Amino acid sequence: IAGITQAPTSQILAAGRRMTLRCTQDMRHNAMYWYRQDLGLGLRLIHYSNTAGTTGKGEVPDGYSVSRANTDDFPLTLASAVPSQTSVYFCASSDEEQGGSPQYFGPGTRLTVL
Amino acid sequence: GQNIDQPTEMTATEGAIVQINCTYQTSGFNGLFWYQQHAGEAPTFLSYNVLDGLEEKGRFSSFLSRSKGYSYLLLKELQMKDSASYLCAVVDSNYQLIWGAGTKLIIKP
Repeated sequence: IAGITQAPTSQILAAGRRMTLRCTQDMRHNAMYWYRQDLGLGLRLIHYSNTAGTTGKGEVPDGYSVSRANTDDFPLTLASAVPSQTSVYFCASSDEEQGGSPQYFGPGTRLTVL
Repeated sequence: GQNIDQPTEMTATEGAIVQINCTYQTSGFNGLFWYQQHAGEAPTFLSYNVLDGLEEKGRFSSFLSRSKGYSYLLLKELQMKDSASYLCAVVDSNYQLIWGAGTKLIIKP
């Protein structure tokens, strides 16, 4: 693989169910991010990780959790999905956690919670 | 609060030039990015400005004025494939990226 992969591509989920979105990068980037993108709104940061073993909360962390056990993987878990979590979710990574290193995005996961 | 403003939508003609503006009010400034996002796809990096002035990269140029809290993306010799959304994002004092809602650019033949 090259770059960032996300799985699944899309998912329809019943409210109240638990769901983990997967993200894997092979660029050996230190920093990784989870965003949600909703129509008419900018990308909103859910959680981030500056390096393996550390995570932080972004702008909209409620209802989501993450882990960073190693450099490559950064899964996002919805413990009990609600309809307001219907969105497109993008994982991204960058070479450094500060300043001018661009973020590179995975293809996204389109999640619908009914 | 932190705010980034971009026009919601713009229309331009194939072969022409278009300028997409971005104004920002953020807690601190550590750089500004422009990304391109085609419908149904992920954002892709276009340019980065941290100092005032113009950065040119092929048909695309990006300008920054930190004193005015203003940037623009200039696209020349427009092609149909340039139809996409263009996202402006500012690195704030905590080194977090603050994203604008994006400008949808429609290219007409």
